[in-house]
Parts: sequence; C-alpha cells; structure tokens
Amino acid sequence: GAVVSQHPSWVICKSGTSVKIECRSLDFQATTMFWYRQFPKQSLMLMATSNEGSKATYEQGVEKDKFLINHASLTLSTLTVTSAHPEDSSFYICSARAKTGGGSGELFFGEGSRLTVL
Amino acid sequence: GDSVTQMEGPVTLSEEAFLTINCTYTATGYPSLFWYVQYPGEGLQLLLKATKADDKGSNKGFEATYRKETTSFHLEKGSVQVSDSAVYFCALDRRAQKLVFGQGTRLTINP
Repeated sequence: GAVVSQHPSWVICKSGTSVKIECRSLDFQATTMFWYRQFPKQSLMLMATSNEGSKATYEQGVEKDKFLINHASLTLSTLTVTSAHPEDSSFYICSARAKTGGGSGELFFGEGSRLTVL
Repeated sequence: GDSVTQMEGPVTLSEEAFLTINCTYTATGYPSLFWYVQYPGEGLQLLLKATKADDKGSNKGFEATYRKETTSFHLEKGSVQVSDSAVYFCALDRRAQKLVFGQGTRLTINP
C-alpha cells in the first residue's frame, strides 16, 4: 500500500526552541494532508488540514502561530512547533489523502513523531 | 457535531477468545465508517471500512457491519491472537475530508 513517512520519529528539544516535523508521501501525490496530536492513552485530535499551495485550515483552539504548517509540494508537508514548551510534548501524526481522479482518496498515516520538550 | 464513542478499555483477553469492541456514532447523513489499528510504536493502519448501511467490512479475520438503525459499527473477531494486541480506533468520515476518531480501545491478548 501507499507509504507516508514522518521524520524525525523522536525529537527532544529545549524549551523555547522550534522543531520541524516532516511528513512525506513516498509513492503517491497527496492533495491534502492532515496533522493530528495524540496525548497518552487518548484519541487523535485533528489540528489542521493543509492543501498543497494554500494556507492550512486550523481547528478551533489550535494556535496557528505556534503550529506552523507548510504544504509546499504534493509530497511534503511540514509542521513546525515554534517556541516549544513542555506542554507541547506529544505524539504528532500526519496523514495524507491520495490524489484521485474523482471522489475521495484513501487516507494513509505516518508512523508519528514523538516530541519531548524539556 | 459528529462524534464516535468506543467501549472503554483496556480490554484483556486470552488467545483464541472472541472479541467485540463496541462503537457507536452520531452524525447526520451517511458517513463512511472505519476501524484503524495502531500497533506499538507505529502509526495508524486502516483495518477495515464500510461506506453504506448494511455493508460489512472485513480484514485479517476482523469484521464490522454498518448498522444505521443502531448507529453502530462494532468490531468482532472470532479467535484473537497475541499479535492482535494493539489500540483500535473507530472513526467516521462524513464529508470525505476529516476523520472523527473515537477515543481508542487498548487490546491486550495473553498467550
């Protein structure tokens, strides 16, 4: 099946620094990518939806200036956590929807990136 | 708004036991329904799906039937294996845009 890869899978940073997480669709073009946040033993919370070449749409309560999303190409989206604080520590997961001729493409998920802010 | 409710976990079973994980949803219209599985240290994988009422999704011995009258999509497997230990998420997709997930159910299978 299609592959979505995230990098890095683990990152530890100091409070106040910024961290960038990449999400790549390796063998298909993704018109839409989604970023989720998952707290321990909880479900996935959608943070934002990004479409290639346009600004991301953020869910209510998600700070767009803190979580910068760039979807520069049909195979790459990045999430930058700016001025990270310990409360930003979480598991971040991206998913990508394949570009299809019509109708909705299947969603494929990355393996997730665990961020720990000290 | 749309929502998905799963049975509380964690669930612990012995190998070869019968499994049911309940899932009910609230949505207008006719959403597509999914079960995703997350193995330790990995991302989510689609396990099965159903796109309309009375459809049955199946994969790897797991089954779930889209029941519109009870707004349910319960996951079942007749004989679980240790390798089925994972977290299972029920989800709906109403507008082919955003998935709404349940809270997840952690399943542990003991040999």
